[in-house]
Amino acid sequence: QKEVEQNSGPLSVPEGAIASLNCTYSDRGSQSFFWYRQYSGKSPELIMSIYSNGDKEDGRFTAQLNKASQYVSLLIRDSQPSDSATYLCAVRAKAAGNKLTFGGGTRVLVKP
Amino acid sequence: DAMVIQNPRYQVTQFGKPVTLSCSQTLNHNVMYWYQQKSSQAPKLLFHYYDKDFNNEADTPDNFQSRRPNTSFCFLDIRSPGLGDAAMYLCATIHKGTDTQYFGPGTRLTVL
Repeated sequence: QKEVEQNSGPLSVPEGAIASLNCTYSDRGSQSFFWYRQYSGKSPELIMSIYSNGDKEDGRFTAQLNKASQYVSLLIRDSQPSDSATYLCAVRAKAAGNKLTFGGGTRVLVKP
Repeated sequence: DAMVIQNPRYQVTQFGKPVTLSCSQTLNHNVMYWYQQKSSQAPKLLFHYYDKDFNNEADTPDNFQSRRPNTSFCFLDIRSPGLGDAAMYLCATIHKGTDTQYFGPGTRLTVL
């Protein structure tokens, strides 16, 4: 069963701290990895994509990919209350064509 | 300007009364997706179109149908909504050869 797994949380983080989110996937053929942010009642919004092992930074966000261990993580530095949302990990495998497989999401709460 | 538009944003229907949700896009993307997302769950792919080619997920109930009359528009028809079909319905698009999936704002369906 191909799947993407995330800790559902909530992950409670003080304002200004680093939030660390993890995602594991089972399909070794996975090639593209995405982090989406979803506010309550809203649709997912792409915040990061990563394709190669290592780190990718974009502003306060850093995505980390380790294909050998089949995990992808997201770090949010200097967390703000506006970062409070559910973060969805999504994975695309070449064999899946145009389809993404989503994890269940990690809910993050940033407390002032 | 909105690139993926969904109408209506909120839809209330009665048990068993057919309902149609619409999605339009100004991006000229050739792939369009319909997802169902229930509270605190991952988006679940119902089907997608690659140009005019319709791809149904194996576990999508027959109660759900779709039409794509042209590149810009896609419809989700729920023939006989049940209480279990209450969810957020998300439309997304992607262009062939690219990796970024754009989501519309979603339609929240309530079944009474």
